[in-house]
Amino acid sequence: DAGITQSPRYKITETGRQVTLMCHQTWSHSYMFWYRQDLGHGLRLIYYSAAADITDKGEVPDGYVVSRSKTENFPLTLESATRSQTSVYFCASSESNLQGREQYFGPGTRLTVT
Amino acid sequence: AQTVTQSQPEMSVQEAETVTLSCTYDTSENNYYLFWYKQPPSRQMILVIRQEAYKQQNATENRFSVNFQKAAKSFSLKISDSQLGDTAMYFCAFMKYASGTYKYIFGTGTRLKVLA
Repeated sequence: DAGITQSPRYKITETGRQVTLMCHQTWSHSYMFWYRQDLGHGLRLIYYSAAADITDKGEVPDGYVVSRSKTENFPLTLESATRSQTSVYFCASSESNLQGREQYFGPGTRLTVT
Repeated sequence: AQTVTQSQPEMSVQEAETVTLSCTYDTSENNYYLFWYKQPPSRQMILVIRQEAYKQQNATENRFSVNFQKAAKSFSLKISDSQLGDTAMYFCAFMKYASGTYKYIFGTGTRLKVLA
């Protein structure tokens, strides 16, 4: 199906484990983003990518790693999960011209770190 | 640093009535974009309306309109003829991209409930 998808939708992991959240889009959008959503904070940008092999830090990048070997995929890895990383994670994409372009969001992944 | 403030954590409105959601922001930039996004209970966020800061005319999309006051750094969303399907979390967002620096700042959201 066309659009932006995330997997898994729900994940429970233990402190210290590595976990990867997947994001896939079918529009060939150049830009992709990872946000986390926490009560009282709205959405905060973790990382974004302007194109394949180009990534940059957002507002809250510590503890996260991203890669973008293909335009359509933008996985987010928590190398050693901590309880503070319990959150809902949203992936988004946008067309190449950022000025005024809306972002298209995935359905989210609810991650619980125990 | 840019900030976006939504001072109303929760609001409710009767079906068919009008409601206004507030958003203020702080920036020293002159050219930027503002957005309202809607996040229904199903969680997938969608764009409601956008406003270019260089345009004086307020954006309108069907029942949704904004009151953009650039000098006051205010960007409120008005929903007319509210419908039950408007029940959602609404986020105001600020966007600026220049010289390799990207800023997309969201407010903390306003939870709107439309009552039958």
